[in-house]
Amino acid sequence: EVQLVESGGGSVQPGGSLRLSCAASGFSLRTKWMHWVRQAPGKGLVWVSYINNDGTVTTYADSVKGRFTMSRDNVKNTLYLQMNSLRAEDTAVYFCASDLNCGFDYWGQGILVTVSS
Amino acid sequence: QSALTQPPSASGSPGQSVTISCTGTSSDVGGYNYVSWYHQEPGKAPKLMIYEVSKRPSGVPDRFSGSKSGNTASLTVSGLQAEDEGDYYCASKAGSRLWVFGGGTKLTVL
Repeated sequence: EVQLVESGGGSVQPGGSLRLSCAASGFSLRTKWMHWVRQAPGKGLVWVSYINNDGTVTTYADSVKGRFTMSRDNVKNTLYLQMNSLRAEDTAVYFCASDLNCGFDYWGQGILVTVSS
Repeated sequence: QSALTQPPSASGSPGQSVTISCTGTSSDVGGYNYVSWYHQEPGKAPKLMIYEVSKRPSGVPDRFSGSKSGNTASLTVSGLQAEDEGDYYCASKAGSRLWVFGGGTKLTVL
């Protein structure tokens, strides 16, 4: 069974950093493009970032470019999102998701990140 | 990277059909056949319902269908059932390795 499990969320002050992890099981991560998607409380889904199979190409939404870095370790079957210079507007549930022909087929359960002083 | 436009709400009675629209531009919906649709229930992760405009993943009932005309994509749910309630989101490729979601539509089964 395919599973994606996020971890590393929590509360942080504005300007702080957090590193999210997404552990994959039931499939080999190296076979999939991957994404991070976030959802602020009571709001809609927002695409955050993408990474290709071997981690050599990443893209980001304008709102996080220069502050967030996505990476992967295909040996550990784990995806990461390093979030720096966090702002209140980054408060959201963060989902990792795998790519199926430019759609998002498998999703993690989500992890809450709260940025507040 | 502006969000795609969806109606905030839609509704229908059990057994009826409902269609949800998703309007973008020639830089996203109109430029690629990579529109996807998701169903999200409260407190849960989204579920992929349609990808590549009209393809259904394994396990998704054929009551769900997708289409696209120009810069507008549509999701039709036929034979509405109570379990179809929830939020529906469209998404589209929006450039080289860029994606964008719609604002979401809350579907109510009356």
